[in-house]
Amino acid sequence: GAVVSQHPSRVICKSGTSVKIECRSLDFQATTMFWYRQFPKQSLMLMATSNEGSKATYEQGVEKDKFLINHASLTLSTLTVTSAHPEDSSFYICSARSWTDGYTFGSGTRLTVV
Amino acid sequence: AQSVTQLGSHVSVSEGALVLLRCNYSSSVPPYLFWYVQYPNQGLQLLLKYTTGATLVKGINGFEAEFKKSETSFHLTKPSAHMSDAAEYFCAVSDLRSSNTGKLIFGQGTTLQVKP
Repeated sequence: GAVVSQHPSRVICKSGTSVKIECRSLDFQATTMFWYRQFPKQSLMLMATSNEGSKATYEQGVEKDKFLINHASLTLSTLTVTSAHPEDSSFYICSARSWTDGYTFGSGTRLTVV
Repeated sequence: AQSVTQLGSHVSVSEGALVLLRCNYSSSVPPYLFWYVQYPNQGLQLLLKYTTGATLVKGINGFEAEFKKSETSFHLTKPSAHMSDAAEYFCAVSDLRSSNTGKLIFGQGTTLQVKP
């Protein structure tokens, strides 16, 4: 079946630095990729939707200058958390959608900002 | 706009007992509906989905769900719970029929506890 590889699985960074999270579809082309944020014991909140080669569409309340999303190819999307602060600490999950395989989720990235 | 409501944030059953996790949705168009399972610090795994056709959908690990349009429900069931079923379960609806984007909107999640 379809596999989405998300890296890193865990990252600890200092406040003020930037962190990049990669999401790669391994054996299929993702027409659309989604980025979610999940707080402990809570549901997934959609942050943004990206289509290859075009600008991401951000959900209301999500700072696009803080959470930079790049979808340069049909198999790779990246989320960069810029100037991270402790309140950005969270679990980030990507999801790739293809016409044939539906939605496939990455394994998530636990970001801790200290 | 579409939305999903999962009734009961926490469900506890005994091993071998019936599992019933409730999900109700709101959608202006016929929905695509999904159930996902999440284990700690992991991504989501698809249990089953409904798009069209048969309203009783069978998924992995013995789970099934029935789409009931009149009740706007998509409850998840399993006849006999295993200890390994303890996890977080999410119901989701997609707006794929009304949008090329196909965003997944998730319910609040239900934590399933299985007691020995």
